[in-house]
Amino acid sequence: EPEVTQTPSHQVTQMGQEVILRCVPISNHLYFYWYRQILGQKVEFLVSFYNNEISEKSEIFDDQFSVERPDGSNFTLKIRSTKLEDSAMYFCASRPLANEQFFGPGTRLTVL
Amino acid sequence: RKEVEQDPGPFNVPEGATVAFNCTYSNSASQSFFWYRQDCRKEPKLLMSVYSSGNEDGRFTAQLNRASQYISLLIRDSKLSDSATYLCVVNIRNQAGTALIFGKGTTLSVSS
Repeated sequence: EPEVTQTPSHQVTQMGQEVILRCVPISNHLYFYWYRQILGQKVEFLVSFYNNEISEKSEIFDDQFSVERPDGSNFTLKIRSTKLEDSAMYFCASRPLANEQFFGPGTRLTVL
Repeated sequence: RKEVEQDPGPFNVPEGATVAFNCTYSNSASQSFFWYRQDCRKEPKLLMSVYSSGNEDGRFTAQLNRASQYISLLIRDSKLSDSATYLCVVNIRNQAGTALIFGKGTTLSVSS
């Protein structure tokens, strides 16, 4: 069964550094998403992406964040200058035409 | 008012028990409804979509009451493997890229 994959599984970085989180969505899916979950809190929407552009973004997704689909398979989330409060699990999700979104295993980002 | 509210639990039940979770949502424009399951430090996994007429998948039954903005999940004959956090999720619009709004989840612990 096809799955969303994410790399790395755990990223440790220093405050102020740039990080790139990578995702490979399910191959025939059209819509791509990033969510985050701070430890002990709910899953929060960051951004959605369709047809090579951002469809929607939340107030969390400020100028420090960007997304890109550099080729036909990868979908990346970049955080330009990480802050302590960016420490969280970051989940990529994708969906086909139907409504259900399928999540990757997540990248745990730890900012020191 | 929180967008999606759930009783956090925990619900501690013995194997074989029937347990019900409830959820309310604040936005009457919500169009799609789901229950996701999340194991500790793992990604959310789709358990089932929730339809207006109610739907059943094996031991799991989901109900939707649009007038009351209320969603429920019933688990019959609980198994040890059902222990997880159950996330109530809504989608405001059925358009491309629209975000999922998550509740904080209800924790279920099934014991032998």
